[in-house]
Amino acid sequence: GENVEQHPSTLSVQEGDSAVIKCTYSDSASNYFPWYKQELGKRPQLIIDIRSNVGEKKDQRIAVTLNKTAKHFSLHITETQPEDSAVYFCAAKGGSEKLVFGKGMKLTVNP
Amino acid sequence: NAGVTQTPKFQVLKTGQSMTLQCAQDMNHEYMSWYRQDPGMGLRLIHYSVGAGITDQGEVPNGYNVSRSTTEDFPLRLLSAAPSQTSVYFCASSYGTVSTGELFFGEGSRLTVL
Repeated sequence: GENVEQHPSTLSVQEGDSAVIKCTYSDSASNYFPWYKQELGKRPQLIIDIRSNVGEKKDQRIAVTLNKTAKHFSLHITETQPEDSAVYFCAAKGGSEKLVFGKGMKLTVNP
Repeated sequence: NAGVTQTPKFQVLKTGQSMTLQCAQDMNHEYMSWYRQDPGMGLRLIHYSVGAGITDQGEVPNGYNVSRSTTEDFPLRLLSAAPSQTSVYFCASSYGTVSTGELFFGEGSRLTVL
């Protein structure tokens, strides 16, 4: 089945810096890659997603890139703000209807 | 719309007890799923359903049962609770398939098994 690896597990940046989170997946049939943000004590919420027929997608300060050949995808956050502090999860959907998540990365943005 | 509603929010069980975590959605979503979240382990899929009467196993199904008799409800049953099932459980639903779009999560249910 699908296996999603996410790194780093924690990241601390200064406000205004950029942050990058990287994920790899194992199933070459995977075709959908969402990113979820979970604030402390809250439920995960979708922030951006990308499909296998697209190489890059942007939404204001966040962007996601996908390299199907290398089977990895990344989340880029520019001009980080304290409210970006949260746990970020990448996920991948393979040939079945299973959405498999990575272990998450805790981002801390220091004012 | 209430979205995805989970009950109870908190539960303490003794080893060997049984219980059902309830999940209901009012968005007419076909896809529903259960995840457990443990520190450092991310979100792991327990069971999922692509429609009423259809369920399938996820990554960590052992010790859990599900059924989907209606589009709205997707209960998760623990038949004989074990300390290893101490976790936060999230129910989530999506319109169409899991890759159609956003997976909407409930607020979570924190279960402690003593």
